[in-house]
Parts: sequence; structure tokens; C-alpha cells
Amino acid sequence: NAGVTQTPKFQVLKTGQSMTLQCAQDMNHNSMYWYRQDPGMGLRLIYYSASEGTTDKGEVPNGYNVSRLNKREFSLRLESAAPSQTSVYFCASRAAEFEGSGANVLTFGAGSRLTVL
Amino acid sequence: GNSVTQMEGPVTLSEEAFLTINCTYTATGYPSLFWYVQYPGEGLQLLLKATKADDKGSNKGFEATYRKETTSFHLEKGSVQVSDSAVYFCALRASGANNLFFGTGTRLTVIP
Repeated sequence: NAGVTQTPKFQVLKTGQSMTLQCAQDMNHNSMYWYRQDPGMGLRLIYYSASEGTTDKGEVPNGYNVSRLNKREFSLRLESAAPSQTSVYFCASRAAEFEGSGANVLTFGAGSRLTVL
Repeated sequence: GNSVTQMEGPVTLSEEAFLTINCTYTATGYPSLFWYVQYPGEGLQLLLKATKADDKGSNKGFEATYRKETTSFHLEKGSVQVSDSAVYFCALRASGANNLFFGTGTRLTVIP
């Protein structure tokens, strides 16, 4: 059971380059999330998708776009990378409300470390 | 608004010492509270949770009690091991909300 899979695990970009982080979950979860983790800042929500076909901004959406391609996949795109986007990115997913206590728990991927030079 | 404040780290303890990591929260309504743990090089994983006041979450010897009167959810363990070295995050999910709000994380190092 793979859970949440993120690719790539590591990436180095130059300022202005674009890239897409991929995320897929095999738990049939409705909601998916993208967070960034920075030292001293904890995790901050970039975007989330409550269900297939919907996306919403989180705390720090500027400079990012997302696509909920289907129920399994939720990608994060940096159109023009900036050094301020150097971070570790985590994808997560969560079950639907009607699934009871499981809806309270986020399952995380292993993270993608991005460096922008 | 919703927010979580947790104890600044890093925390360094000797093996078998008692651990407390403080966490307080601000939230509307009746949030669910969580502790997540991140081992080196890995993603976050749920350690324990509590969904209503006075609930106690427990797992792997760790405990935390949901205290509505003090808006706190402190993490405790009676005897830490080297394998407990990790970063610990307190988090909350407000009633009906989609998102979790995380604290800044507390790095714990346990030395033999």
C-alpha cells in the first residue's frame, strides 16, 4: 500500500525556470493538500482540493498553481521559480467527512526538496 | 482565527528522561487536535489525536490531553528513547474546516 507518492524527491532549479511537482494517492481520499515546510515556520498550506474538480488557495498561494487531475492526482506547478520558493514540499490527503474518524487524519508523502538558485 | 503555538526547540534530553512539549491553540468552535512526528528524511505521520475536550490521545508511550479550559494539548512521555529523536508538530483542525493548522515544530534529540 503506497499511500501518498510524491515526485521528484529532489530538484534544483534556476531562477525563472518552471517545474511541476507530482502527487498521487491510492487511498481513495477526497481531499488533497500541498504544504511547504521552512525552518522556524512549520508547515504552511499552499493550496488544497476538497474534492475532484475543486481547488482553493491556502495561506501562501502566490507563485504557485495546482491541478486536481483526477481523484488520485494533485500537482503543484511553479511557473517562474524564485529563490524564496526554496523549501521542502509535502503533499497530503484526507478521507471524506462521511468516513468518520478517518476524515480527521492527514496522510503525508515523503516530501520533495526544491532548491532555486 | 485559528493558530497553534508550540514550545520552541530544540530540546535535548538524555535517554529515559521525562518529556513535555507544550502546545496551546486558538480556534473557533471545537477543534480536533493532533500531534504529528517527522523522523529524519521522512514525511509527517500522525502520532496521536483528540477530538473533544478531556479526551486523551496516546500512542507509543506518548500522551496528550485536550484541555479546553487552558486551550492546551501538551505532549508527554515518561521515558524517552534515542529512537524518539524527531521533529514534533502540534496541529488543529477547526470544526467543519478542510485545513489543518500546524505549529512551528519542536526538534527533539535524545542522547544515550
